[in-house]
Amino acid sequence: DSGVTQTPKHLITATGQRVTLRCSPRSGDLSVYWYQQSLDQGLQFLIQYYNGEERAKGNILERFSAQQFPDLHSELNLSSLELGDSALYFCASNKGGRVYNEQFFGPGTRLTVL
Amino acid sequence: GESVGLHLPTLSVQEGDNSIINCAYSNSASDYFIWYKQESGKGPQFIIDIRSNMDKRQGQRVTVLLNKTVKHLSLQIAATQPGDSAVYFCAENEEETSGSRLTFGEGTQLTVNP
Repeated sequence: DSGVTQTPKHLITATGQRVTLRCSPRSGDLSVYWYQQSLDQGLQFLIQYYNGEERAKGNILERFSAQQFPDLHSELNLSSLELGDSALYFCASNKGGRVYNEQFFGPGTRLTVL
Repeated sequence: GESVGLHLPTLSVQEGDNSIINCAYSNSASDYFIWYKQESGKGPQFIIDIRSNMDKRQGQRVTVLLNKTVKHLSLQIAATQPGDSAVYFCAENEEETSGSRLTFGEGTQLTVNP
């Protein structure tokens, strides 16, 4: 158990819908990273937040957005869902704002878009 | 279990043998590299890291080698055990002005035969 929690574990929805994925980092960690893992594109970095502020952006679509709240939990919002958005979504956390501190990954949320 | 790719390179070894997993990275300016292990149904787990000013780093039963000349990274696992069966990813850090972003390789499926 990494100490990072993600909910829900599974999510099934339809095209065009909007969903919210939630992540609680390890106690004491200020950074949250979101990743997408799909069959055709592998593991991709989406976005990072550090202590409530966006710190780095990766291959995140405009239909996706994220935020980190004062209690440091983070939410990833996916809207206008398409079939291709079906994937595993992981969040990870670490203490610092950079990747040089080990990142601890959550168990993931499996999103299926029908 | 979870499938992380349809065309993952595979490596099959006998229990007790040494395993070598290779990775080619793309950015000569990358300053930091990490190896992750992902077991079926779980999030990636940090194994070992190395900074670009090093050629070799050893951990418990694992060694990472970095060849910057040819942009190649390898993970050596000594005395491979059935519990080592998993997908192994390398990741390189691309430093940005405000943060870091990891770019992951495609992964290698390691199967350890008892």
